[in-house]
Amino acid sequence: EDKVVQSPLSLVVHEGDTVTLNCSYEVTNFRSLLWYKQEKKAPTFLFMLTSSGIEKKSGRLSSILDKKELFSILNITATQTGDSAIYLCAVKAYKYIFGTGTRLKVLA
Amino acid sequence: GAVVSQHPSWVICKSGTSVKIECRSLDFQATTMFWYRQFPKQSLMLMATSNEGSKATYEQGVEKDKFLINHASLTLSTLTVTSAHPEDSSFYICSALGIRDSREQYFGPGTRLTVT
Repeated sequence: EDKVVQSPLSLVVHEGDTVTLNCSYEVTNFRSLLWYKQEKKAPTFLFMLTSSGIEKKSGRLSSILDKKELFSILNITATQTGDSAIYLCAVKAYKYIFGTGTRLKVLA
Repeated sequence: GAVVSQHPSWVICKSGTSVKIECRSLDFQATTMFWYRQFPKQSLMLMATSNEGSKATYEQGVEKDKFLINHASLTLSTLTVTSAHPEDSSFYICSALGIRDSREQYFGPGTRLTVT
């Protein structure tokens, strides 16, 4: 059965800290891996990764995919309170399979 | 660009009634739309994949007769929760794949359904 597992499930840090969120997967017919940020409503798109070893970067956020070891990480540097959210990882195969999410709380 | 809307954003209904939720792609055409539900503090669970002009594909464990999906045009899909019960209370989110950019799904803002 296809599955996407995220860790940790929750995380509390202080402003300025750097965090690394993990996403591992076992999915047949992998096409891409996506990261989303969900605050109060629907998820917003962060990154889509299709190739191993190529880092995607957007401001303080970056992500990379390892297709051999079947995982991805999402890094957030110099965290801010506005980064507090649930971060979802999803793998696109013949459908989208979402992980459990990591709930991040950044304290001022 | 790539805006998806949902209506209503919030609805309360009584047990036994039916509720229709609309999902529209506002500035692009979507051949495929997805319907998810999300329980508090849990991840998104795919309910069904809706393709324009054809029957929806439901995930295992999702009742077709209870959650009716109609994808009547390239910009509109509807989810009707029939004979709603309190356990159907949830956050329902739709997403759409663009025709030209099918790499990414664009999410609607979600609909919170409360069944009393």
